[in-house]
Amino acid sequence: ETGVTQSPTHLIKTRGQQVTLRCSSQSGHNTVSWYQQALGQGPQFIFQYYREEENGRGNFPPRFSGLQFPNYSSELNVNALELDDSALYLCASSHGQGVNTEAFFGQGTRLTVV
Amino acid sequence: AQSVAQPEDQVNVAEGNPLTVKCTYSVSGNPYLFWYVQYPNRGLQFLLKYITGDNLVKGSYGFEAEFNKSQTSFHLKKPSALVSDSALYFCAVRGGNTGGFKTIFGAGTRLFVKA
Repeated sequence: ETGVTQSPTHLIKTRGQQVTLRCSSQSGHNTVSWYQQALGQGPQFIFQYYREEENGRGNFPPRFSGLQFPNYSSELNVNALELDDSALYLCASSHGQGVNTEAFFGQGTRLTVV
Repeated sequence: AQSVAQPEDQVNVAEGNPLTVKCTYSVSGNPYLFWYVQYPNRGLQFLLKYITGDNLVKGSYGFEAEFNKSQTSFHLKKPSALVSDSALYFCAVRGGNTGGFKTIFGAGTRLFVKA
């Protein structure tokens, strides 16, 4: 098991609502990235934070936003939820912002939008 | 644009036989390539990575992968499969001239190892 923890593990929301997902990174890691994994697909990169600054973003609309805190934990916020936002959301942490660094993943938050 | 292809949705192999899970990539510039494994109801676990140097990379649980620049491939291999290797495997690429920190994952290959 990695030291990356995510909360909550499961969540059900109604279309149009807002949701906040949380992630605690592994000790010593200062980089956090978020991914969306739809059923039967590979993870899709949402964005990455390094020392509280966003330093990479995938093809997701602005209603997907994030924060990284001084202790390197992170939040993913999604506004105006759509049915297609139903997915497993994965958080991963790593040490440093090098592109050659592997990531350590949490178990994910399963979001269902109804 | 960067992309990763895993041409097989599923690979079936008998326990004790060698296994190969295929991955090809498209990226301009030098790629950084990764393999991850996902067990049911779990997050992804890092297996191995290619950064530079030796084309044969060894990783966790007896897995290895061979980087082939001319064929733009990074196939995952194991000499002798175990039933416990049954899981979902993802290839990923990072870097290149335009990719930066964006990590692109393949769609995944489900490995079934029969006893």
